Formats: sequence, structure tokens, C-alpha cells
Amino acid sequence: DAGVTQSPTHLIKTRGQHVTLRCSPISGHKSVSWYQQVLGQGPQFIFQYYEKEERGRGNFPDRFSARQFPNYSSELNVNALLLGDSALYLCASSVYRGSSYNSPLHFGNGTRLTVT
Amino acid sequence: AQSVSQHNHHVILSEAASLELGCNYSYGGTVNLFWYVQYPGQHLQLLLKYFSEDPLVKGIKGFEAEFIKSKFSFNLRKPSVQWSDTAEYFCAVNPVAGGGADGLTFGKGTHLIIQP
Repeated sequence: DAGVTQSPTHLIKTRGQHVTLRCSPISGHKSVSWYQQVLGQGPQFIFQYYEKEERGRGNFPDRFSARQFPNYSSELNVNALLLGDSALYLCASSVYRGSSYNSPLHFGNGTRLTVT
Repeated sequence: AQSVSQHNHHVILSEAASLELGCNYSYGGTVNLFWYVQYPGQHLQLLLKYFSEDPLVKGIKGFEAEFIKSKFSFNLRKPSVQWSDTAEYFCAVNPVAGGGADGLTFGKGTHLIIQP
């Protein structure tokens, strides 16, 4: 079975630009979560979507937004990029909302975003 | 808000040595606890999880972790490590009250190197 797929794998943007990252969950998974991992740190929660609705949001500015489509794939959008947005952006999917015993998170390989 | 502290950022061991990686969390309520592993060049994978059952949890590849509620700890152990255990290890916590909507809170990770 295919795992969580993310595109692109690498991206270089300039400060002030906009970026869209994409994620396809494992087949049958209805929940998608986004995490930001800065070098040397653990992943930090950005958003969770379940059944196309936002169910949770981490402590990130309004420049960050996301959505989930009817096929359960998801996009993460970041506006007005800052140097500090350079990070690995991880997508994770699960069968149900959040992470539960029978519905653990499965992570993708991530998108490496570099802002110059 | 909850937080996770991993005490050792870098650990170097020889093959067949015993391993214990420390993890403490801060949160006043009931939590679910996780250990994730990231092998070089691969995505984050779930190693084991605690969901209010037996405090001694067994995971994949011979790993286990013990939840000690009074100490807010969830240390990872393995009696005899192998070279293939070289990886980044992350401890994570998720409040039960949030129903998973708060996402996982990760520690900064421990970089484990096993020398042959």
C-alpha cells in the first residue's frame, strides 16, 4: 500500500512569496494533520483536518492556512514567507480524527522548504 | 499547554549495549504517549504507544517503554541495541481531553548512534 505522499519534496522560495504544499493520505484515511519541523527540533503541530473540516489548530500565525478536499487530500498554504518559515513540513494521516489507539498517525517524508 | 522534554540530545552506544532514553512531559490531565523513530532518509514511524492500559508498553523491534504517572515519565528502553537502531527518536504526548484535536506535542528528539 502507498504511504502518505507529499509534493514537492524540495522547494526554494523568496521572502514575501506564497507557497502551497500538497499531501495525499493513505487510502481510507479521513484525517490529515500538518506539522512543521525546524532543524534540530521536534515536529510542531500546525493543523488537523477531519472530514474536510478544521478540527484543530496549533500556535501559528494567520499566514498559515490549509484545506482538505473531498478525496481527503490536503493543501497547506503559507503567505508572506519569512526566513523563519524554512523547515521540513510534514503531513500525517489517520483513519479517524486525531491520533487514537486504533488510528495512529502515519507520516509522509515531508517537503523541505527553504526561504531565501 | 503541554510540553515534552527529552534529556539526551545525542547518545552513542556500542552494539549489544542496553538503551534507555528519557522522556518527561508536563500536563495536568490524562495523556496518550508515543515514541516515534526516524531512520536516516526515512519518514517518522510509530515505535510504540500508551493509551491508558498496562503502563509497560511493548513496541516494534524489541523496544519497550514504561509510563510512570507520578514522575510524568515515559522512558524508552531496549536491552540490547543493534547497529540498525541508529536513528532519531522522538517522544510525543497528546491530551486525552482534546480528543486528538490538539495534535501531538513532540520533544526535540534524541539522536542515537550505534557503533559496530
